[in-house]
Amino acid sequence: QQQVKQSPQSLIVQKGGIPIINCAYENTAFDYFPWYQQFPGKGPALLIAIRPDVSEKKEGRFTISFNKSAKQFSLHIMDSQPGDSATYFCAARWDKLVFGAGTILRVKS
Amino acid sequence: DGGITQSPKYLFRKEGQNVTLSCEQNLNHDAMYWYRQDPGQGLRLIYYSQIVNDFQKGDIAEGYSVSREKKESFPLTVTSAQKNPTAFYLCASTPLRDSNQPQHFGDGTRLSIL
Repeated sequence: QQQVKQSPQSLIVQKGGIPIINCAYENTAFDYFPWYQQFPGKGPALLIAIRPDVSEKKEGRFTISFNKSAKQFSLHIMDSQPGDSATYFCAARWDKLVFGAGTILRVKS
Repeated sequence: DGGITQSPKYLFRKEGQNVTLSCEQNLNHDAMYWYRQDPGQGLRLIYYSQIVNDFQKGDIAEGYSVSREKKESFPLTVTSAQKNPTAFYLCASTPLRDSNQPQHFGDGTRLSIL
């Protein structure tokens, strides 16, 4: 019940495309859902986060969609660029953060 | 600039050897965390500490030990009991009183077996 399931494991899109990464959870006590971006050899950095009382949040080209009844949330990257190529992690927090397994995104120029 | 400093960036361990990974933060954060990252497995929590001189086991604490003698420092020792230590180790911190604050991560230490 503490798991967060993330898909796909990897994703390749063309520049300008809209990659979508999905996450699902079971524990309804989770109250905070962040997404992290990680470049090779670096630690993850917070990209955007949402709380379960909001269905969508946008920050620049990044959008989180949240479906509380389905217990799913997803990250959309609009107008993706080669510089967006990185590993993306979803996470959920109750008393501690629980991370998804990560999605390796490659944006081809 | 405030942040989390992990050292060394790369570390090699011999059989039967204990090694210690350093994590220092100047963010005045209360809580500190150690994660292990393996390909395809996300980040798994090893140990965490919410206050000086106190720490709790995470999901994969076996073969690891920590101390929290100062608020700024949370070193992780990988003991010889950890049979598969090769991984990327990440330290993180967060303030406890502001639930809107995200975890801040260091840039990690990559540990390999010699």
